[in-house]
Amino acid sequence: KAGVTQTPRYLIKTRGQQVTLSCSPISGHRSVSWYQQTPGQGLQFLFEYFSETQRNKGNFPGRFSGRQFSNSRSEMNVSTLELGDSALYLCASSFGGRTYNSPLHFGNGTRLTVT
Amino acid sequence: GNSVTQMEGPVTLSEEAFLTINCTYTATGYPSLFWYVQYPGEGLQLLLKATKADDKGSNKGFEATYRKETTSFHLEKGSVQVSDSAVYFCALSDGDNFNKFYFGSGTKLNVKP
Repeated sequence: KAGVTQTPRYLIKTRGQQVTLSCSPISGHRSVSWYQQTPGQGLQFLFEYFSETQRNKGNFPGRFSGRQFSNSRSEMNVSTLELGDSALYLCASSFGGRTYNSPLHFGNGTRLTVT
Repeated sequence: GNSVTQMEGPVTLSEEAFLTINCTYTATGYPSLFWYVQYPGEGLQLLLKATKADDKGSNKGFEATYRKETTSFHLEKGSVQVSDSAVYFCALSDGDNFNKFYFGSGTKLNVKP
């Protein structure tokens, strides 16, 4: 069974640009979550989608947005990039639904560098 | 609110030493608890989980017991190997908020031969 796939693995962007990251969840998983990982802040929750609806949102500015498609694939967009957006962005999928003890399965992440 | 606190690293041990990584949590409701491991250049992998008080999760020689009375979920392994060198994250999932997970800051483990 294929795992969570994130593309691209690496991105280098300039301040002010925008970027789109993609995530394909494990087959059968309907929930997709996004996390930002930095050395200083650790893992911070961005948002979670289930059946194309955003169910949870973390404390990030509106420049960070996402969406989920009918096949459960998800994209995350960051507009007007800032140097502080440099981070590893992790996508995680799970069955979702009311089974809150369903673990997250993570992809290998997209490393975004903003110069 | 919900939060997870785990011991600061790095933790440096010799091969075959006993490992404990402390994790305590604050939660409303009845969370499930998890340990994840991250190897360099990779995402997080689920190591073990426990869904209710007194449950013990175990995998690959690692164990952790869900202690409601002390709000703890400490990770232990009797004999570590060099290949266990990684960053370990304690996490809880909010039973009232579906898939919202809260992660600790991570503890880096270095095992020397």
